Amino acid sequence: EIVLTQSPGTLSLSPGERATLSCRASQSISSSYLAWYQHKPGQAPRVLIYGASNRATGIPDRFSGSGSGTDFTLTISRLEPEDFAVYYCQQYGSSPPYTFGQGTKLEIK
Amino acid sequence: QVQLVQSGAEVKKPGASVKVSCKTSGFTFTGYYMHWVRQAPGQGLEWMGRITPNSGVTNYAQKFQGRVTMTRDTSISTAYMELSSLTSDDTAVYYCARLSPPITYWGQGTLVTVSS
Repeated sequence: EIVLTQSPGTLSLSPGERATLSCRASQSISSSYLAWYQHKPGQAPRVLIYGASNRATGIPDRFSGSGSGTDFTLTISRLEPEDFAVYYCQQYGSSPPYTFGQGTKLEIK
Repeated sequence: QVQLVQSGAEVKKPGASVKVSCKTSGFTFTGYYMHWVRQAPGQGLEWMGRITPNSGVTNYAQKFQGRVTMTRDTSISTAYMELSSLTSDDTAVYYCARLSPPITYWGQGTLVTVSS
């Protein structure tokens, strides 16, 4: 079973700053099957990035994804107040399990 | 429009079982995997497993093997997740979800509280 490890656990930044979130897999996964979600309290998780680097419809271009193999990154170029949330990576390859990382909490500094 | 509507909150005693339903509409139920994801208080998202509605084939996360059963009733486009031998660690919000990034749809969540 592939384990996804996200870092840092908590990231404290100010609006306007750049955020870099990491997701490391215990074994190589296809870039085609790595997604990033944003999750706010009381809401369903929202897909930001799929296929490691493709923005989902309606997602602002300040969000970008990169990486391959075992190392993936979500970057938010300039933080807006609404971006403070918990972020998860997930691998959803051809075979389950479709594990999530443990999450990175992005909080206002 | 696509909707996933889950059953209401449950309170269970340790050792009991819980069955959560997820009624779908707005798409062809048999055409998509249905996943179950949970989130315990203060914890992250945890993928539990999925069912292939067309065939009934299931895939479970190793952690839940032997304790979870996912089923479906195609006549009413509804998926079910039953978790047995509950402990306080199973207190969580349980979601059904159609996960096909970038397209994902989630139920509203069902809070299951395990308490003596």
